[in-house]
Amino acid sequence: DIQMTQSPASLSASLGETVTIECRASEDIYNGLAWYQQKPGKSPQLLIYNANSLHTGVPSRFSGSGSGTQYSLKINSLQSEDVASYFCQQYYDYPYTFGAGTKLELK
Amino acid sequence: EVQLVESGGGLVQPGASLKLSCVASGFTFSDYWMSWVRQTPGKTMEWIGDIKYDGSYTNYAPSLKNRFTISRDNAKSTLYLQMSNVRSEDTATYYCTRDGPGKDYWGQGVMVTVSS
Repeated sequence: DIQMTQSPASLSASLGETVTIECRASEDIYNGLAWYQQKPGKSPQLLIYNANSLHTGVPSRFSGSGSGTQYSLKINSLQSEDVASYFCQQYYDYPYTFGAGTKLELK
Repeated sequence: EVQLVESGGGLVQPGASLKLSCVASGFTFSDYWMSWVRQTPGKTMEWIGDIKYDGSYTNYAPSLKNRFTISRDNAKSTLYLQMSNVRSEDTATYYCTRDGPGKDYWGQGVMVTVSS
């Protein structure tokens, strides 16, 4: 199985700040990576697919980048509504696997 | 509007069976691969498996393959997850998702608690 190592596990940032969350795959996943946002008590929502494509309706302050085994999610100009947990998931190879998640809080 | 509505969860005893359903609306169900994902009380996300748009092919997490079965009824726009011989570690919120690429829509989730 491909292991997804996500960091940091938690993050505290101020409004307007830029935040970066990273995921490292145990092998090359050829951009088969998605990022999800999960607000407290809600279902996850897709933010980014194919490592760097923004899902419909997602604000442009969210962006994804990376290749090979290293990927990142960047949130520019942090807003209060971005307080949530974020997960990466690889869908390059079965079984699909998730990162452990990053909990983002406001400082 | 795409909607996925899961049902069938609840409290179940260890060793029992349970069948979850997910009714889809707002899109052509038979055009999409669909999946089940679960989230443990500790918030760990686990992919359970997926099923091809016509129901002809399924994939599973190896650790669940012998106990969980995914099926679909395209005429009813419904996805199913049959769980057998459930264990305490199956306690989780179960989500159905629409696939491709990434999981672009998720249901609201249904809780399954395995306890005697």
